[in-house]
Amino acid sequence: KAGVTQTPRYLIKTRGQQVTLSCSPISGHRSVSWYQQTPGQGLQFLFEYFSETQRNKGNFPGRFSGRQFSNSRSEMNVSTLELGDSALYLCASSMRTGASYNEQFFGPGTRLTVL
Amino acid sequence: GDSVTQMEGPVTLSEEAFLTINCTYTATGYPSLFWYVQYPGEGLQLLLKATKADDKGSNKGFEATYRKETTSFHLEKGSVQVSDSAVYFCALSRGNQFYFGTGTSLTVIP
Repeated sequence: KAGVTQTPRYLIKTRGQQVTLSCSPISGHRSVSWYQQTPGQGLQFLFEYFSETQRNKGNFPGRFSGRQFSNSRSEMNVSTLELGDSALYLCASSMRTGASYNEQFFGPGTRLTVL
Repeated sequence: GDSVTQMEGPVTLSEEAFLTINCTYTATGYPSLFWYVQYPGEGLQLLLKATKADDKGSNKGFEATYRKETTSFHLEKGSVQVSDSAVYFCALSRGNQFYFGTGTSLTVIP
């Protein structure tokens, strides 16, 4: 079974630009979560999508947005990029059942550098 | 709100040394607890988990016990190897909401 894939793996942008990152979950997984990983802050939760609807949202400004398609693939968009947005963006997929927990499977991440 | 606090690194150990990485949590109810590992250039991989108090998760020689009385989930390994060099994240979950610690970098030298 293929794992979580993220594209592109590396991106370099300049301040003020916008960027779109893509995530394809494991087949059969309908939940996709996004995280921002930085050396100082660790992993911070951005948002979760399930059945094309945002279900949970972290504490990030409105410049960060996302969506999910009917095939469960997800994209996140960051507009008006700032230097502080430089980070590794991780996507995780899960089955999101009614169980007490759902294991999340992570992709390799997209490394975004803002100059 | 829910949160995880883990030991700051970096941690440097000699091969075959004993490893402990401390993790404590704050949460309402009964969360599930996890340790994830991140090797250079890769995403996070689940290392072990425990879903209720007194459960012990174990994998690849690593162990952690869910201690509700001390709200802790410390990671231990009796004899580390160079291949264990990675960043380790403690996390808690209720349903599909995950909270991660800041990560502890471990370097094992031969």
